[in-house]
Amino acid sequence: KAGVTQTPRYLIKTRGQQVTLSCSPISGHRSVSWYQQTPGQGLQFLFEYFSETQRNKGNFPGRFSGRQFSNSRSEMNVSTLELGDSALYLCASSDGTHSYNEQFFGPGTRLTVL
Amino acid sequence: KNQVEQSPQSLIILEGKNCTLQCNYTVSPFSNLRWYKQDTGRGPVSLTIMTFSENTKSNGRYTATLDADTKQSSLHITASQLSDSASYICVVRQGSNDYKLSFGAGTTVTVRA
Repeated sequence: KAGVTQTPRYLIKTRGQQVTLSCSPISGHRSVSWYQQTPGQGLQFLFEYFSETQRNKGNFPGRFSGRQFSNSRSEMNVSTLELGDSALYLCASSDGTHSYNEQFFGPGTRLTVL
Repeated sequence: KNQVEQSPQSLIILEGKNCTLQCNYTVSPFSNLRWYKQDTGRGPVSLTIMTFSENTKSNGRYTATLDADTKQSSLHITASQLSDSASYICVVRQGSNDYKLSFGAGTTVTVRA
């Protein structure tokens, strides 16, 4: 099976712009979670989508939003970018039906906000 | 306050030596605990999963322990190799209906020849 893929891998934006990141989960996985990773904060949970519905949400402002399509692919959007949004954004997919389901992470998208 | 605390923040060891990483958590109720390894520039990869009833689990040279009473876990790396240089992240799953994971900040391990 192909792993989790994320596009683009690298992105440079300026303050005030908006950005859309894409994640394609492992075939058959219905859960997609998004995380922000920074050196100072570690992994921070953004939100999780399961079968096109947001199932859980972290403590991020409304500028961060996401959606999931019928083929389980997911997108994350960040509007009005701030310097502090510079981070590695990781997507993880899982079967999502059991608490022991392993999350498989993609390689991440490195976002730099100038 | 973070519900998962890892120590040390970073460590340097010589190739061939052993080391132990610590994870203390306050997450309740507890469902399971995973250790992830994250190489630089890549996504985390699961090493082990521990449930309430498990005390020890091994994956090659990696051995994880869990003491659910004291809410502590450790990850022991035996005979370290240069490829063990990475960040190791402890992740605790809450045992309730809502899907909630708590992440530690990670321990950065550097193995030197």
